[in-house]
Amino acid sequence: AQSVTQLGSHVSVSEGALVLLRCNYSSSVPPYLFWYVQYPNQGLQLLLKYTSAATLVKGINGFEAEFKKSETSFHLTKPSAHMSDAAEYFCAVSDGTSGSRLTFGEGTQLTVNP
Amino acid sequence: DTAVSQTPKYLVTQMGNDKSIKCEQNLGHDTMYWYKQDSKKFLKIMFSYNNKELIINETVPNRFSPKSPDKAHLNLHINSLELGDSAVYFCASTTTGKGGELFFGEGSRLTVL
Repeated sequence: AQSVTQLGSHVSVSEGALVLLRCNYSSSVPPYLFWYVQYPNQGLQLLLKYTSAATLVKGINGFEAEFKKSETSFHLTKPSAHMSDAAEYFCAVSDGTSGSRLTFGEGTQLTVNP
Repeated sequence: DTAVSQTPKYLVTQMGNDKSIKCEQNLGHDTMYWYKQDSKKFLKIMFSYNNKELIINETVPNRFSPKSPDKAHLNLHINSLELGDSAVYFCASTTTGKGGELFFGEGSRLTVL
């Protein structure tokens, strides 16, 4: 079984500040890890994914995440927050096979203050 | 040229009614899913089809019946709607080689009165 835990259901940062959204996973097989973003009244859009290659993964909109096996973590960061980053962020895990389920964390609502 | 499209986008109906949501993907994927997002934004998998064959069937009331006429389409029919069925239903698709990455539709918001 696989699961993810997102620490902090709400994160608030100032524009220009560092964004750090935390995600820890549990998996009995080597995991494939994802971060998705959901803007209001829209579907989920892939930010980035880890698929057992480089442990530091760069995604869209300046986001990146680092896979740390020893800490079972896959935290999402962005050096400088922009107002347009305000959204719901979901960490997810799968076993990477077609037909496998993508299991999501409970989401983190990011607020960016001017 | 929408990749994963769902219809309708909004659905308001009375308790006890039956309704359907349709999903189509033009990505050439062979696996499709239905996810339910509740009012707290939690996403839960409901069903998955691979090449028209049901491969994931979570603990969902049997009032929910998915159908996949071909690998590009996945529909969801809901009988005897209840208040608790109010949610946003997302269709998603993927295929071999995508490492489990899902491509999502924009969601269908169902409100049961």
